[in-house]
Amino acid sequence: KQEVTQIPAALSVPEGENLVLNCSFTDSAIYNLQWFRQDPGKGLTSLLLIQSSQREQTSGRLNASLDKSSGRSTLYIAASQPGDSATYLCAVPSRNYGQNFVFGPGTRLSVLP
Amino acid sequence: NAGVTQTPKFQVLKTGQSMTLQCAQDMNHNSMYWYRQDPGMGLRLIYYSASEGTTDKGEVPNGYNVSRLNKREFSLRLESAAPSQTSVYFCASSGTSGSADTQYFGPGTRLTVL
Repeated sequence: KQEVTQIPAALSVPEGENLVLNCSFTDSAIYNLQWFRQDPGKGLTSLLLIQSSQREQTSGRLNASLDKSSGRSTLYIAASQPGDSATYLCAVPSRNYGQNFVFGPGTRLSVLP
Repeated sequence: NAGVTQTPKFQVLKTGQSMTLQCAQDMNHNSMYWYRQDPGMGLRLIYYSASEGTTDKGEVPNGYNVSRLNKREFSLRLESAAPSQTSVYFCASSGTSGSADTQYFGPGTRLTVL
């Protein structure tokens, strides 16, 4: 069964810092990985979808990498801003349930002004 | 486009009561999903519908039923609510089934069962 963990569970940084969020998964036979953002009391918003062939995907100040062999992905946020404060979740395909996503528990990020 | 909409936003039930959570999407997506989100447990898939006319169980289907009313609408029903069903429920949709495509989420329904 695919399991996803995220480290750290929570992170608080001053504005302007570069930071890295980590995601690990147990079944490396995946064909993509997705990072989501969730604001308090809201639904999830997709940030980046990385295909296994790409290994890396960038969107603005966000960069996500994927290393299938080690079962890891990282989300790099450059020059963090208070507006980046949210919970960040990674998700990978499951062999069960119609190949739907299995979600990690998330990292709660606070960027202090 | 409204994207994915859910009603109601909040609901309080007593144990044993029933209710239906409504979900609709206006993106002409084929696939729709129901998740629940609990502290420390993350998001878990309850049911999904890969296409109009089909539904399948996810990881935690017990105590729930679903109906794919048409391509736009996918409802979740609790027949006899239990305190263990206190959670935040999210509906999502995607163009293709499974994880090959981005999923778009609704704002959630916060359900408390007393």
